Amino acid sequence: QVELQESGPGLVKPSETLSLTCRVSGYPISSSYYWGWIRQPPGKGLQWIGTVDHSDNTYYNPSLKRRVTLSVDASTNHFSLSLRSVSAADTATYYCVRVGLQRFFDWLPALDYWGQGVLVTVSS
Amino acid sequence: QSALTQPASVSGSPGEPIIISCTGTSSDVSTFNLVSWYQQHPGQAPKLIIYEASKRPSGVSDRFSGSSSDDSASLTISGLQAEDEGQYYCCSSAGGGTFGVVFGGGTKLTVL
Repeated sequence: QVELQESGPGLVKPSETLSLTCRVSGYPISSSYYWGWIRQPPGKGLQWIGTVDHSDNTYYNPSLKRRVTLSVDASTNHFSLSLRSVSAADTATYYCVRVGLQRFFDWLPALDYWGQGVLVTVSS
Repeated sequence: QSALTQPASVSGSPGEPIIISCTGTSSDVSTFNLVSWYQQHPGQAPKLIIYEASKRPSGVSDRFSGSSSDDSASLTISGLQAEDEGQYYCCSSAGGGTFGVVFGGGTKLTVL
């Protein structure tokens, strides 16, 4: 059974860096799957933040690209999110997810496993 | 990147079918063949209910079905039940060679 679990502080001050880690159990990160982060501001919809593969190749939402870094540690089966210079607009529930599968000719986007989510509030 | 549009809300009575549409501005016809659908209840993480436009993950009720065309996708829920009430999101590849996704704005389903 694949399980994802986010960890990190629930409160971050404006202008500081939000850092979250996702522990994956039941499946190796070093596989043909892509892993990533999705966020959801209170009462609003879902936003893709970024995707990382087991080789540390990263792909970011253009609207967040200047402030985001994703990384993966295949040896411990974790991947991480760093979001710099946060503001109140970054207050959201952050989910780590298994984003999709690399196929021979394309890739299949299907977010089949989600962490429970962690609410991060940006406030002084 | 494509943008996906959903109706803000739909409603139906128990036992009735409902359809939620997902349309977009993408010029890539594969966008809608790769649409996935998610159900979200308050306080919970979204749950995958349809992927690749029409495929159901193991364990998902066969009351949920999906379809797609060149310029849209749709989710059909047959035989509405009270437990189906919640938020539904369509999603597809962001395109442009990036392994990212884009979501529709979400549809609130109310079971009357």
